[in-house]
Parts: sequence; C-alpha cells; structure tokens
Amino acid sequence: SAVISQKPSRDICQRGTSLTIQCQVDSQVTMMFWYRQQPGQSLTLIATANQGSEATYESGFVIDKFPISRPNLTFSTLTVSNMSPEDSSIYLCSVRGTAKNSPLHFGNGTRLTVT
Amino acid sequence: AQRVTQPEKLLSVFKGAPVELKCNYSYSGSPELFWYVQYSRQRLQLLLRHISRESIKGFTADLNKGETSFHLKKPFAQEEDSAMYYCALRETSGSRLTFGEGTQLTVNP
Repeated sequence: SAVISQKPSRDICQRGTSLTIQCQVDSQVTMMFWYRQQPGQSLTLIATANQGSEATYESGFVIDKFPISRPNLTFSTLTVSNMSPEDSSIYLCSVRGTAKNSPLHFGNGTRLTVT
Repeated sequence: AQRVTQPEKLLSVFKGAPVELKCNYSYSGSPELFWYVQYSRQRLQLLLRHISRESIKGFTADLNKGETSFHLKKPFAQEEDSAMYYCALRETSGSRLTFGEGTQLTVNP
C-alpha cells in the first residue's frame, strides 16, 4: 500500500491563526481525502482533494475555512484558517490507489490544539 | 443517506474469550464494508473488507444484507487485539467512506 507522510504530526496554535497541513504520498493515487476526527468522535470527511481543480467539500465544510490544494497526484495540503478552539482535532489525509476497489489508506494524522 | 452504527463504544473481554464487534448500516444500494483498526499511537489501518472474504489476525466479518450488518468476530481474543475498531461503508459508485463511531476493545489478561 502507499506510504503516506503527513506533517506536522502535531501543533499548538493560537486562535485566529492558520495552519497548513501537508500530505505526501510515495506513489500516484487517484483520490485524496481529508478527514477530521474530533475528540471522542468518529471520522468525518471534510473534502475530496481534486488534482488540478477545486476540492469537493462535504456539507458543513467550506473552502474559506478549509482551503485545499492538490497540485499533482502525490501531494495535497489542507489549511485550517482563522482557527478557534473548536477546530482542535486530528486531521487525517487518506488516499485511494489506482486499482479498482482499492481501499482507503490513512496518514498518521495531525493533532491540532487551538488555544 | 448512508449511515453506519456501532452500538458499543466500549467492549471488554478476557484473553481467550470470543469477541464480536457489532456494525449495522443503512444504505439503499449495495455497499462495500470495511473494518479499520487503530492501535495505540499508530495510524488508522485497514483490517479487512467484505469483498475479500479473508481472515486477518484471526478476525472475520460476514456481510449480512438481510440484517444490514457486518459484525467483526474473533474466536479467541488476544491482548494485542486491544485497539479502536471502526466499521466503514463505501457507496457502490463512490470513493468516500462513512465511518461508524468506533468501538474501543480491551482484552484483559
């Protein structure tokens, strides 16, 4: 399976600032996704990162708050903008390979704490 | 809309005992079902998927379309099975996964 490197692994940020999380994959993948896992809760899909075009956001998530880039098939970034304590969460990059019915694989996640 | 339910947030068993982690889903089409596991301080990783019909680390899961369930089972639990387990569903023609709330399994010595 693909090796997914996500950084930073954790960060503590002040409210009102922004943080950009990077996701690098060691092979080309068709689909890249960003998930959020709030404390004590399950994983929620934020958006699908589309190569060369705007990301597709899920209900409740908007581009202004979570701008996403995907300049090529192996790299994506998620920015958490104008942070508040409610944004404290684990953010996960996940990828799906090129083979049909490929499962999703996940990065180690970024643990974000907003003070 | 699709939904995945894991009724037990916590499950505790003794080593050597059978274990079953429940997963029910609601989806109008034919879904793909997965179990993911997260060991302490490790990344979320795929455990098994229904289309593979395989046994991984002694775990099996059968998709029961009549009961819309995909329970994860192991006949003899081991201490190293202690982890967080997530059931997930993927739509027939989609890529996104919908996750259940997760079940924290603890296997006691």
